[in-house]
Amino acid sequence: QVQLAESGGGVVQPGRSLRLSCAASGFIFSNYDMHWVRQVPGKGLQWVAVISYDGGDQYYADSVTGRFTISRDDFKNTLYLQMNSLKPEDTAVYHCAKGPMTAMLDYWGRGTLVTVSS
Amino acid sequence: SSVLTQPSSVSVAPGQTARITCGGSNLGGKGVHWYQHKPGQAPVLVIHFDSDRPSGIPERFSGSNSGNTATLTISGVGAGDEADYYCQVWDSNSDHVVFGGGTKLTVL
Repeated sequence: QVQLAESGGGVVQPGRSLRLSCAASGFIFSNYDMHWVRQVPGKGLQWVAVISYDGGDQYYADSVTGRFTISRDDFKNTLYLQMNSLKPEDTAVYHCAKGPMTAMLDYWGRGTLVTVSS
Repeated sequence: SSVLTQPSSVSVAPGQTARITCGGSNLGGKGVHWYQHKPGQAPVLVIHFDSDRPSGIPERFSGSNSGNTATLTISGVGAGDEADYYCQVWDSNSDHVVFGGGTKLTVL
């Protein structure tokens, strides 16, 4: 069955960097677009970024453009999110999700918590 | 980019029918997807492309979409349905995924 497992979260100071990983299994990873979605504590879901199945296209939410980079390693079946210049408002649980870029996110991971605080 | 509007909360008695709406400009021309999210768990896709149920989702979950409003309907609601529900579309103008603000379903 499809499994997505995020890792790499933690506490980081404002302005610093962090890289999240998402290990995928149970499907042919290289065939699918992949997303990052976050949830600020007490708030709703907020889409962060998507990367196409071949890595050729990436799109970002306005709030993270220029600071975050989504990438993938199809040999390791792993999705990444490089987060630079972190701000307190980036504090959230970050979920990875599988799904066509222009359609639904059909499988999600449970998420990893990122806390940006001095 | 698109803005999707959901009621912040909906409450229903056990066994009754819950209807959660999602409003947006010309929503009927887009594919709307719905997710169930319980605290500490991975969100689950319950309806895709307006009214299709993924494998494993009970028939109690159904969806519709027309004009400027999409609706998620849950019949025979039970305590296990208590969760936050989100609608979602792809905004082709901005190449962004857009979520509604979420609706907390409470079973009285």
